[in-house]
Amino acid sequence: QVQLKESGPGLVQPSETLSLTCTVSGFSLTSYSVSWVRQPSGKGPEWMGRMWYDGDTAYNSALKSRLSISRDTSKNQVFLKMNSLQTDDTGTYYCTRDYYDGTYYYVGVMDAWGQGASVTVSS
Amino acid sequence: DIQMTQSPASLSASLGETVTIECRASEDIYSNLAWYQQKPGNSPQLLIYDANSLADGVPSRFSGSGSGTQYSLKINSLQSEDVASYFCQQYNNYPYTFGAGTKLELK
Repeated sequence: QVQLKESGPGLVQPSETLSLTCTVSGFSLTSYSVSWVRQPSGKGPEWMGRMWYDGDTAYNSALKSRLSISRDTSKNQVFLKMNSLQTDDTGTYYCTRDYYDGTYYYVGVMDAWGQGASVTVSS
Repeated sequence: DIQMTQSPASLSASLGETVTIECRASEDIYSNLAWYQQKPGNSPQLLIYDANSLADGVPSRFSGSGSGTQYSLKINSLQSEDVASYFCQQYNNYPYTFGAGTKLELK
């Protein structure tokens, strides 16, 4: 059964760094790409970046200067680090997986989502 | 970045009714469009991909259509469990972008 689970601090001080972990099960990080998506309360989601199955990364240009995504395949974990946090970074952070129908990878189609990690940026 | 404009922002409909949600892209996205359903307190769930392909386990009352810059999601015979927010998302170009959402309520 495919699962993704985000973990990390719920409260971050302004100007500090956010560190989140996505722990996956039911699939391999060397076969599937994982993205990070965030969503302010009551608003649409925002794609932040991805860790490709081959270890390459891609970032939303709006966040690229502050964002880093890495992984540890031995622990089935993908990591997000974002620095210089401000109050508008408050929201729910999800990790997601790209859809594979058994024949074709649909890059950018997110068929599995974690439960989300709520992050509040406040002093 | 490609802007995704959804309409309406909110919608009230009766059980059994057919509802349509529109999504317009700021440029051609070549049907690289997905629709997600998000129920209150839950994560988004994939409904439609490639503009008109139904995701696994999604009821057939959901359907997607469109091409170029104009897309729509139709829900036939609205059920109570369809009360949710709906988001469109383009995956033609980085960064992937989402619409602001349509909140569907029962009348």
